[in-house]
Amino acid sequence: SQQGEEDPQALSIQEGENATMNCSYKTSINNLQWYRQNSGRGLVHLILIRSNEREKHSGRLRVTLDTSKKSSSLLITASRAADTASYFCATDAGGTSYGKLTFGQGTILTVHP
Amino acid sequence: DTAVSQTPKYLVTQMGNDKSIKCEQNLGHDTMYWYKQDSKKFLKIMFSYNNKELIINETVPNRFSPKSPDKAHLNLHINSLELGDSAVYFCASSLAGTGSSFGPGTRLTVL
Repeated sequence: SQQGEEDPQALSIQEGENATMNCSYKTSINNLQWYRQNSGRGLVHLILIRSNEREKHSGRLRVTLDTSKKSSSLLITASRAADTASYFCATDAGGTSYGKLTFGQGTILTVHP
Repeated sequence: DTAVSQTPKYLVTQMGNDKSIKCEQNLGHDTMYWYKQDSKKFLKIMFSYNNKELIINETVPNRFSPKSPDKAHLNLHINSLELGDSAVYFCASSLAGTGSSFGPGTRLTVL
């Protein structure tokens, strides 16, 4: 079964605007990760936030994690056309899962120039 | 270049055939994975190997057999291919507690 549910399923914005994607999950986690997938390509790791962290930044990316609500959000500021891609959240339960990731269904982001 | 590589990139074959996909990583990671991405872009783990040992086998048909000859390689052999096996297969690797690095994917089409 899917661990993560992402919201929205699709997001269309203009260049320069901010994009926010949300992810909810069901079970306890060791960390939560966000990945980007350009059309026809592999996944690129963007950011990892551990269960004891609440917020993390990397360049134009800001990730928050609320373990009490079992949810995370990814904010991309000042978006660019090159940010157009699918974005996935993935949870790592830790322990004996050995880094096994359970993915959400993804958000398709389109940034119009 | 340090990366996860997999071959072939595309694989088109007839039902009933046997095929293999190869994966190699030169990142020094100790864990490798196979994921399947279906036509709706949903990604699901199939197998995980840690230091050449099978750790995770997620309800995958016996027709799929992974093999890890060493820590840097994880191959996937599929017997008696079926139409439903058509998907994109991704190899990935990681170190414990860090993000995974994914290969470019192998698009398998079964006719």
